[in-house]
Amino acid sequence: EPEVTQTPSHQVTQMGQEVILRCVPISNHLYFYWYRQILGQKVEFLVSFYNNEISEKSEIFDDQFSVERPDGSNFTLKIRSTKLEDSAMYFCASSVTTMTVYGYTFGSGTRLTVV
Amino acid sequence: KQEVTQIPAALSVPEGENLVLNCSFTDSAIYNLQWFRQDPGKGLTSLLLIQSSQREQTSGRLNASLDKSSGRSTLYIAASQPGDSATYLCAVSHLTEYGNKLVFGAGTILRVKS
Repeated sequence: EPEVTQTPSHQVTQMGQEVILRCVPISNHLYFYWYRQILGQKVEFLVSFYNNEISEKSEIFDDQFSVERPDGSNFTLKIRSTKLEDSAMYFCASSVTTMTVYGYTFGSGTRLTVV
Repeated sequence: KQEVTQIPAALSVPEGENLVLNCSFTDSAIYNLQWFRQDPGKGLTSLLLIQSSQREQTSGRLNASLDKSSGRSTLYIAASQPGDSATYLCAVSHLTEYGNKLVFGAGTILRVKS
């Protein structure tokens, strides 16, 4: 069964450093998403991406965040200057269309720890 | 603003019991509802997806129902097993001109004792 692949599985970074979280969505999917889950809290929407541009973003997704699809397979989330409160599990997801008859497929996540 | 609530927050049952997890949402204009399973420190595994026009979906020992007008969904697990121990998340989606994002509940932590 096709999978969404995320790397790395765990990243530790110092406060103020830049991090890039990587995702390889399912190959025929067209819509891509990032969600995050702070420990003990709900999974929260960050951003959706289609046709090489952001289609929707949440209040959380401020100027320190950016997303990119640098080639035909990868989808990245960059956090420019990490803060302690950015520590969370970050999930990438993809879907065939917005008419998600088949729902989302999520990756296994990247645990980001900011120290 | 859509709010999703899951009850109970935690549940501990002996192996073999049938159980029901509840999900409620405040805005009934959803596009679909999806139930996920999350193991500790792991990703989200989709269990069942119910379109807004459907009333229920079944997969193996799992059955999910949807009452859109009352803003409720239930996940029924038959003959529970220790391997079912996990957090179960309910998420609803809205279709807008901007896309289709999910709004999650906080989850029900299930422990099935052998």
